[in-house]
Amino acid sequence: DIQMTQSPSTLSASVGDRVIITCRASQSISTWLAWYQQKPGKAPKLLIHKASSLEGGIPSRFSGSGSGTEFTLTISSLQPDDFATYYCQRYNSDSWTFGQGTKVEI
Amino acid sequence: QVQLQESGPGLVKPSETLSLTCTVSGGYIGSFYWNWIRQPAGKGLEWIGRIYENGNTKYNPSLEGRVTMSVETSKNQIFLNLKSVTAADTAVYYCARGSVLVGLDYWGQGTRVSVSS
Repeated sequence: DIQMTQSPSTLSASVGDRVIITCRASQSISTWLAWYQQKPGKAPKLLIHKASSLEGGIPSRFSGSGSGTEFTLTISSLQPDDFATYYCQRYNSDSWTFGQGTKVEI
Repeated sequence: QVQLQESGPGLVKPSETLSLTCTVSGGYIGSFYWNWIRQPAGKGLEWIGRIYENGNTKYNPSLEGRVTMSVETSKNQIFLNLKSVTAADTAVYYCARGSVLVGLDYWGQGTRVSVSS
């Protein structure tokens, strides 16, 4: 099965910072990658699908890029509401595996 | 608005079977993949598996042999059974709607299951 690896595991940042989270797949997954945001005690929320397509209602400061095995989630200017844990996930076929998560903290 | 609600026992004894139900409202379960995901306290998300409306399933290889999923389309319900549980199966269990185009777009609030005697 394809493995998904995120880096870093934890990221310390300040309001207004540009934040980049990386997700690597052990084999090519084309652009079948989603990004989720999870806050404590809540279910994950879909932010981006197909590597770079922003879900409706998600602020434009979030963006995704990449294809094949390397992907990034960028938050252009971190806002107080963005402190959370972010997960990537490969989907479309086989096991829909998650990365281990990246916690964005103050 | 599609809503998902997980239900089931909050406590299961070791070696027994964990059984959960996901009830979908506000939409028909057809044409989507219905997924179960779990999250131990303080840890990341683990994809358990998915089922399509026709009963086709795909499970996480690490849980293959212990997990079964089923669907009752007339009741808009999806079921998870995980047998021979141990303390390592203690987690919050989520159900989520999936499509091959966008991933998991609707999630339930999750239900906490503890495995303990």
